[in-house]
Amino acid sequence: DVKVTQSSRYLVKRTGEKVFLECVQDMDHENMFWYRQDPGLGLRLIYFSYDVKMKEKGDIPEGYSVSREKKERFSLILESASTNQTSMYLCASSFTAGGNVEQFFGPGTRLTVL
Amino acid sequence: RKEVEQDPGPFNVPEGATVAFNCTYSNSASQSFFWYRQDCRKEPKLLMSVYSSGNEDGRFTAQLNRASQYISLLIRDSKLSDSATYLCVVNPHYGQNFVFGPGTRLSVLP
Repeated sequence: DVKVTQSSRYLVKRTGEKVFLECVQDMDHENMFWYRQDPGLGLRLIYFSYDVKMKEKGDIPEGYSVSREKKERFSLILESASTNQTSMYLCASSFTAGGNVEQFFGPGTRLTVL
Repeated sequence: RKEVEQDPGPFNVPEGATVAFNCTYSNSASQSFFWYRQDCRKEPKLLMSVYSSGNEDGRFTAQLNRASQYISLLIRDSKLSDSATYLCVVNPHYGQNFVFGPGTRLSVLP
C-alpha cells in the first residue's frame, strides 16, 4: 500500500513564525504536491515537484516556498506565517505516466496561525 | 469561470435512493478525469477514474461527455456509508498537476 505521511496532524503557530511542513512518501513517486483546502474553495495547488530539486508554482504560491532534496520528501515552508494561512494542508504524490494516474494523499496538517 | 465546477449540495437522500452528481470543466484539452471521495476530516481518496466510454464499479457509474465538457457520477442504492464529499478532478496534463472541483456533499439518511 502506498503511504504518504505528514509530520503533524495539528499545528498552532504565531504570526511571523517560520513554519515547516514535511511530507514523505514510500512508493518512489516522481511527483509530489502541496495543496491547501478551505471551506467553499476546495483544494488549491500551492506547489508541485516532478523530480528532485525541481519545483513548479501552482495556483497560489504566494507566501510559500518548497524544498525537494530527496525523492521521497517534499517540504512546504511558510517563511513568515500569517493568519490567512490558517488552513488544512494536504500533501500528495503520484507516478508520472500516460493515462489515468492516481494521486495519493497524506492525512493532512491542520495549521492554525494566531 | 472556475476550471472545475460542481453543485456544492448538500444532497440529502434516503437509503436506497439513486443520486447523480454533475461536474463541468473549462479546459477542453483536459486529458484525464476522476472522482475522489473525501470523508469528514480525512484525506481525499480515489473513487474511480472516468473513461471516455463510461465505466461502472458496482453501484457507481461514471460518464464523460467531452463535447459538453461534462462528467457525471451516479450512485445507485445509496448506503449510509456513502455519506461523504465527492470531488470531481481533472488532469490537464498526464501525471502532473490536477485541478479539483469544490466538491459535492452527500448525506444518506436512514
